[in-house]
Amino acid sequence: DIQMTQSPSSLSASVGDRVTITCRTSQTIGPYLNWYQLKPGKAPNLLIYTASSLQSGVPSRFSGSGSGTDFTLTISSLQPEDFATYYCQQSYSNPITFGQGTRLEI
Amino acid sequence: QVQLQESGPGLLKPSETLSLTCSVSGSSFRSHYWNWIRQPPGKGLEWIGYIYYSGSSNYNPSLKSRVTMSVDTSRNQFSLKLSSVTAADTAVYYCARDEGSGTYLFDNWGQGTLVTVSS
Repeated sequence: DIQMTQSPSSLSASVGDRVTITCRTSQTIGPYLNWYQLKPGKAPNLLIYTASSLQSGVPSRFSGSGSGTDFTLTISSLQPEDFATYYCQQSYSNPITFGQGTRLEI
Repeated sequence: QVQLQESGPGLLKPSETLSLTCSVSGSSFRSHYWNWIRQPPGKGLEWIGYIYYSGSSNYNPSLKSRVTMSVDTSRNQFSLKLSSVTAADTAVYYCARDEGSGTYLFDNWGQGTLVTVSS
């Protein structure tokens, strides 16, 4: 299985801050890395797919980059609704695996 | 608008079989793979597997011996059965749509349902 390592596991930030979350995979996966946002009691939301493509309807302050084994999710200017938990996921090989999550707190 | 909704018992005893159903609306049922994903309390997400409208499926090897998925195309529903549950199976269970057929890109999810295993 491909192991996913996210960092940091939690992050405190303020509205307007720029934040970056990192995801590292145990083997190369090309661009096949996706990012999701989870909030309690809500359906998870796909933000970024294939490393850098912005999902339709997702604000442009979200961006992704990387390839191979190292990837980042950046939020350029935090908004109140962005405080949530973020997960990376590899879609390169079975079984599909996720990172352990980054909790973004105020 | 695509909507997925999980349903099923929220409390099970050890050794029982977990049974959940996901009802899909607003989407072509035959154009996508349909997935189950779970999140134990305080832990990360775990992909359980997918099923296609034809009945073909693929399960996570870590759960394969206990998982069965099925599909009811007449109702646009798919289901998960997980046998011999233990406390380790306590989790929020999500159903999710694969954007295509095997892209493993989950573009629509249900809100999740908490299943607790306790004696």
